[in-house]
Amino acid sequence: SQQGEEDPQALSIQEGENATMNCSYKTSINNLQWYRQNSGRGLVHLILIRSNEREKHSGRLRVTLDTSKKSSSLLITASRAADTASYFCATEPTGGGADGLTFGKGTHLIIQP
Amino acid sequence: GAVVSQHPSWVICKSGTSVKIECRSLDFQATTMFWYRQFPKQSLMLMATSNEGSKATYEQGVEKDKFLINHASLTLSTLTVTSAHPEDSSFYICSAVSLDWYNSPLHFGNGTRLTVT
Repeated sequence: SQQGEEDPQALSIQEGENATMNCSYKTSINNLQWYRQNSGRGLVHLILIRSNEREKHSGRLRVTLDTSKKSSSLLITASRAADTASYFCATEPTGGGADGLTFGKGTHLIIQP
Repeated sequence: GAVVSQHPSWVICKSGTSVKIECRSLDFQATTMFWYRQFPKQSLMLMATSNEGSKATYEQGVEKDKFLINHASLTLSTLTVTSAHPEDSSFYICSAVSLDWYNSPLHFGNGTRLTVT
């Protein structure tokens, strides 16, 4: 199922600029995950941040998590044309992942050269 | 809205047996289906990409002879876990992409929890 919201739905920026995408969710979670999907390809896992973490970095990616606001952000710094893709957040509810992840609808990011 | 049906929802099997999981797109044609597995408290890991009428493309480290994928029609893909072992116990989930993938959201099945005893 798809719940939660990413915003914006679509974002177009110039190469070299930073891109920020947000994700809100509704339930208590164990962790929140960000994925990228390139054209016609499967999801690629980017970062997993646990509910007791507030910020996490991986290369040019920075993810924050605010459990009080039930929101997360994904920041891509110094964007490149190859970053053009759709980005999805997914949450694993507390009580375990027995029912799988809940995905947002995604943000389509376009990096203009 | 578009629905992807995955069957069964859960299955328990004995070590050495094979298990088939079906993924159906109910109201759209899916040229491409993706198969993922998820271990507890971990992220989805893409196993393979299944294109209708052609051989599946497997991700590095995924044994194609163990995880047989068939995508015989635009609405059905199957994943068969052959000679299952306890380490294959996991949550398997499929997603489908319609012909109009660019304007379509992700369509996921509800997943299959496989337990191998």
